Amino acid sequence: ETGVTQTPRHLVMGMTNKKSLKCEQHLGHNAMYWYKQSAKKPLELMFVYSLEERVENNSVPSRFSPECPNSSHLFLHLHTLQPEDSALYLCASSQDPTSGHEQYFGPGTRLTVT
Amino acid sequence: TQLLEQSPQFLSIQEGENLTVYCNSSSVFSSLQWYRQEPGEGPVLLVTVVTGGEVKKLKRLTFQFGDARKDSSLHITAAQPGDTGLYLCAGGYYGGATNKLIFGTGTLLAVQP
Repeated sequence: ETGVTQTPRHLVMGMTNKKSLKCEQHLGHNAMYWYKQSAKKPLELMFVYSLEERVENNSVPSRFSPECPNSSHLFLHLHTLQPEDSALYLCASSQDPTSGHEQYFGPGTRLTVT
Repeated sequence: TQLLEQSPQFLSIQEGENLTVYCNSSSVFSSLQWYRQEPGEGPVLLVTVVTGGEVKKLKRLTFQFGDARKDSSLHITAAQPGDTGLYLCAGGYYGGATNKLIFGTGTLLAVQP
C-alpha cells in the first residue's frame, strides 16, 4: 500500500448506529487530519493530530470522536449521527503540522446517514 | 473569516480549448496549493507556490501566485478530457500550533471530446 488509504469507501448507517472510519498513511508523516466535504461547501477541517496528540478541534460536535493510536493510523468514531452529517469524509497527512503546508489526501469515505 | 473564492464555479469546454481558473481572497497566505479531485476520490496535490509572483508550469498547466500572495490562477492549455475534475485551491497560513489550509469553493471542469 502506498499513500493514504481509507476504509470503508462507502458507509450507510442509521442515526442510532455506531461505526468507525479508518485512515492509514504510508508516507512516514507525523500529522494527520480529518476533513468533511459536503456538496456546494468548501472542505471543512475537523481535527488535526500531531504525533498522536490532538492539536486542533474545529468545534466539531461530540458525536464525532477521533482517535490516533500512532502516527500512521487515524480513526473517526461515529455515533448518533444526523442526516446532515452525510458527506465525504477525507483523511490527509503531512510531514508535520508546523512547517510546510502540503497535505496528501486519501480517497475518502462516502457516508450516508439514514 | 478567511475565504477563498474560485471562479468560475463550472466550466464546460471542448477538447483543445484553453481556460483559466481564478482563486481570490482578501487574506494573505504563506503558500497556495492547487488540487484536482475526481469523482469518488480525494484531492490530489498538483502544485505548491510560496513566493509572490511565482509561476510554475506542469506540462500544459501554468500556476501563478499573485504578487501580494492573496490570489492565484491556473491556466490550462489545449485541455484534454483527462483534465476533467474539480479543481481546488487552498491557502496556507500559520494558525496557532499548526499550519492550516483554507480551501476554495472549487471549479468543476468538464472537457468534452
